[in-house]
Amino acid sequence: QQQVKQSPQSLIVQKGGISIINCAYENTAFDYFPWYQQFPGKGPALLIAIRPDVSEKKEGRFTISFNKSAKQFSLHIMDSQPGDSATYFCAARTGGFKTIFGAGTRLFVKA
Amino acid sequence: GAVVSQHPSWVICKSGTSVKIECRSLDFQATTMFWYRQFPKQSLMLMATSNEGSKATYEQGVEKDKFLINHASLTLSTLTVTSAHPEDSSFYICSAAGAPNEQFFGPGTRLTVL
Repeated sequence: QQQVKQSPQSLIVQKGGISIINCAYENTAFDYFPWYQQFPGKGPALLIAIRPDVSEKKEGRFTISFNKSAKQFSLHIMDSQPGDSATYFCAARTGGFKTIFGAGTRLFVKA
Repeated sequence: GAVVSQHPSWVICKSGTSVKIECRSLDFQATTMFWYRQFPKQSLMLMATSNEGSKATYEQGVEKDKFLINHASLTLSTLTVTSAHPEDSSFYICSAAGAPNEQFFGPGTRLTVL
């Protein structure tokens, strides 16, 4: 099921810094690319999402950049805060809501 | 946003017993529900897709006779782990999709098989 590759596996960022997580996909049938945030023992929560006809989407401190030709997309977290420390998953979805997750990135923001 | 609940939130059972996990969409009709399994420090792996009133579609490598899925109504899907063994211990997460064209994830159920 590894159709979405995510890196890095873990990330340590200073408070106020920028966290960047990258993902790549192969299946061109994917038409929706969400990012999820997960805290230990909880289900994933939708953070932000983008469709392939858009190159960038920003919501507050979170920005998705999307490169359709390269089949890559990334999440940028500006002004990272200790409360952002969590595991982040990129994902890709087909029209039938079938969502495939990347391997996940464990983010730790140092105070 | 819409809410998806799971029950129980955690369960401990003896090896060889069966365990049922419920997934409910509380304020919308879920035409499709998904079941995921997540081992510690790993990603969510899709196990199966179920549409209301139809048989579930299982992903490659998932034993359909071991993981029984029932989607009897637009608000309820159940996952039964039959003859559970310690290697089935995991975090099981359901997801519900439907109007208004969105998908929501449940809080997960922690299964521990002794």
